[in-house]
Amino acid sequence: GAGVSQSPSNKVTEKGKDVELRCDPISGHTALYWYRQRLGQGLEFLIYFQGNSAPDKSGLPSDRFSAERTGESVSTLTIQRTQQEDSAVYLCASSLRGTSVYNEQFFGPGTRLTVL
Amino acid sequence: SQKIEQNSEALNIQEGKTATLTCNYTNYSPAYLQWYRQDPGRGPVFLLLIRENEKEKRKERLKVTFDTTLKQSLFHITASQPADSATYLCALDISQAGTALIFGKGTTLSVSS
Repeated sequence: GAGVSQSPSNKVTEKGKDVELRCDPISGHTALYWYRQRLGQGLEFLIYFQGNSAPDKSGLPSDRFSAERTGESVSTLTIQRTQQEDSAVYLCASSLRGTSVYNEQFFGPGTRLTVL
Repeated sequence: SQKIEQNSEALNIQEGKTATLTCNYTNYSPAYLQWYRQDPGRGPVFLLLIRENEKEKRKERLKVTFDTTLKQSLFHITASQPADSATYLCALDISQAGTALIFGKGTTLSVSS
């Protein structure tokens, strides 16, 4: 497949547990983004990776959230000690480059996280 | 505070009419603005990008305008069809380097036949 893929598609967890969400970007895309979308809300920027540069973590809501990316491939978003307020759809997107001209973002289908 | 607003949560129109969606923003000077379409249970899909020095851009039945004085973008779908029913999101570059987009909450368009 040529698109952005995310796994799992759905995750139900108990409050206090850690979760790990995975994103496989489009091959050759150097930029990768994570967003959160709460029910009925817009997309909330979380973190941005561009090549080997230091990631832009300015959108992470707390230190319970972290993300890693190996080179220009897979990324994982980790949420530690999950809270009910973390329940949302987590969307990953990639783009050819993180500059305005090439910043059309291609989104994955998202991971729906439910914290009980 | 920085803010991006889309005109209404829901817009209902009849097939064949033109749908007009509004995106207003404050406290930004974005280099460009993007529009995305999102269907239920799916990630957004890119539709159009318009730069600050462009007044209008068209793609098939879609037209986007960008007025940096009014801090507003209008998104038009002409000859609307039931298949156009979806949520439409506008997004602004807030970093001047394309590293982060701020998205509006979206407008859900319903086109009835």
